[in-house]
Amino acid sequence: AQSVSQHNHHVILSEAASLELGCNYSYGGTVNLFWYVQYPGQHLQLLLKYFSGDPLVKGIKGFEAEFIKSKFSFNLRKPSVQWSDTAEYFCAVISGYSSASKIIFGSGTRLSIRP
Amino acid sequence: DAGVTQSPTHLIKTRGQQVTLRCSPKSGHDTVSWYQQALGQGPQFIFQYYEEEERQRGNFPDRFSGHQFPNYSSELNVNALLLGDSALYLCASSLGAGTTKNIQYFGAGTRLSVL
Repeated sequence: AQSVSQHNHHVILSEAASLELGCNYSYGGTVNLFWYVQYPGQHLQLLLKYFSGDPLVKGIKGFEAEFIKSKFSFNLRKPSVQWSDTAEYFCAVISGYSSASKIIFGSGTRLSIRP
Repeated sequence: DAGVTQSPTHLIKTRGQQVTLRCSPKSGHDTVSWYQQALGQGPQFIFQYYEEEERQRGNFPDRFSGHQFPNYSSELNVNALLLGDSALYLCASSLGAGTTKNIQYFGAGTRLSVL
């Protein structure tokens, strides 16, 4: 069965530090990959997505993610975090079969930024 | 342009009762998916509705049922509530089922507490 693993449950950083959140998925076929963010008290928002093409994708608010097929990974990065990046981050995958458009989410990583 | 709206925002029920949650999709969207997000977990897929039919279903019992109306809005019904049904229920809308490249937009959710 498909699964998504986010090994960092809670990450604490100081402002201006660099960020990398890990995401691994277990599916050997074609996948579409997403990172969603949930700010405190707000709904889930799409941060970025990968469907095909350049494995380095850029999203909103300076975030980027790199798809490494050989490692089944889609890690999220940001060179310099801000206090406003405090949120819960979810990695998600949709398998490549056209009938399977349900999203499988990871358990999330809570990011806390110290001002 | 209205986003995905869900009602009610919060709900308190007792074990054994039945509950109905409602969702209006983003303007122009025709597909609605429902997710359950337990505390500290990522959202888990319940089912998806398109053209007023359930198209896909996750690993949830028959106590969870749904409906989609001609105007694309949707309801999630849960019968015989259990304590373990306490969670945030998320609705997501998208355009066109059966494609893995549709972006799902999420509502703010309904917080259900079962006592």
